[in-house]
Amino acid sequence: SAVISQKPSRDICQRGTSLTIQCQVDSQVTMMFWYRQQPGQSLTLIATANQGSEATYESGFVIDKFPISRPNLTFSTLTVSNMSPEDSSIYLCSVAEGMGRNIQYFGAGTRLSVL
Amino acid sequence: TQLLEQSPQFLSIQEGENLTVYCNSSSVFSSLQWYRQEPGEGPVLLVTVVTGGEVKKLKRLTFQFGDARKDSSLHITAAQTGDTGLYLCAGTTSGTYKYIFGTGTRLKVLA
Repeated sequence: SAVISQKPSRDICQRGTSLTIQCQVDSQVTMMFWYRQQPGQSLTLIATANQGSEATYESGFVIDKFPISRPNLTFSTLTVSNMSPEDSSIYLCSVAEGMGRNIQYFGAGTRLSVL
Repeated sequence: TQLLEQSPQFLSIQEGENLTVYCNSSSVFSSLQWYRQEPGEGPVLLVTVVTGGEVKKLKRLTFQFGDARKDSSLHITAAQTGDTGLYLCAGTTSGTYKYIFGTGTRLKVLA
């Protein structure tokens, strides 16, 4: 099973600033995903990050606000830009493995608070 | 928009009791997963079901996928305090690897 490390584990940021979250996997994976989990809520998919191509964003999420990089098969970053208090959430990265890509492993998440 | 509704939203029970969590949708899923998430951690996959009517057991946990592949249930027998957490179902549709997550069920098992 893949082991995923996320950095930072938590941060407190000022309104209007940006934060870049890193996701490192211990094996090469084709598909990586970024999710947002608001306090006490379920997970919402932000985008799918594929190596060698631009990320695919879900409805309600745009590249200018959440730029994603995927420089290789073991690493990705998500930037939360021009933050507001509404961006306070847990941000999670995950990878999909298995024949049908139906085994998903998650990092521990980044807890972001925006003041 | 595909939605996965879970019920109940919250559940507080005594150790030793049984419980069932439901995951319902109007959409058909090619596979459905159940996860448990504990505070400060990411979700951990418990099971994947892919065939309509499929039943899988994981110790005291029994998972069922509906015949029409639109719904699923998780039954826990003789709950333990270690079962406390947020339970999430997630479905994938044919032709995509994206996961739609359910609304979540927060379970608290009291000693």
